[in-house]
Amino acid sequence: GAVVSQHPSWVICKSGTSVKIECRSLDFQATTMFWYRQFPKQSLMLMATSNEGSKATYEQGVEKDKFLINHASLTLSTLTVTSAHPEDSSFYICSARDPMSGNPNEQFFGPGTRLTVL
Amino acid sequence: AQSVAQPEDQVNVAEGNPLTVKCTYSVSGNPYLFWYVQYPNRGLQFLLKYITGDNLVKGSYGFEAEFNKSQTSFHLKKPSALVSDSALYFCAVLSGGYNKLIFGAGTRLAVHP
Repeated sequence: GAVVSQHPSWVICKSGTSVKIECRSLDFQATTMFWYRQFPKQSLMLMATSNEGSKATYEQGVEKDKFLINHASLTLSTLTVTSAHPEDSSFYICSARDPMSGNPNEQFFGPGTRLTVL
Repeated sequence: AQSVAQPEDQVNVAEGNPLTVKCTYSVSGNPYLFWYVQYPNRGLQFLLKYITGDNLVKGSYGFEAEFNKSQTSFHLKKPSALVSDSALYFCAVLSGGYNKLIFGAGTRLAVHP
């Protein structure tokens, strides 16, 4: 149980285009999902917390107009990188909380999406 | 401020030897601590967690970790390392009213044949 998927697993795009990354909870309903980014050889940095049916909460320094998050259903959150630039190239990882699990604060992680902006 | 420190960028171990990956934390209140492993170009895989109870926590793939409140540590251990254990290991603590995971910088474990 508690499986989280991401799509696509990798994407290459041209500078100035927008890219959408999907995060799905496959066998549970996730009221809260999280988006992280990870630069090479670095740790995960929380970008935003996504709550179903409401606006995402962004961490300090993360541009909400650049990284659009939509959590329209209990099993799907999307991250759209708008007007992508090479510096946005990174590994994006989502996680989700299962409120019905033994520890509702525990996060289950997706496999990640490698974004490369040319 | 809540934080997690992994003092070693890399740990090198010979196959069959015991391994330790260090983690210390700084939180207010009771800590919820986690260890994750990451293989190249993959997401995080859960290894183990400490919420409450026994200080020695056993997890996946033969790993265990010991919660030490006085030393504010949660070191990851394994009695006999395998080459396949070579990966990036992250220690994390739940923060922000148990809403956010704060990650350490990560420790790369290299197990040599």
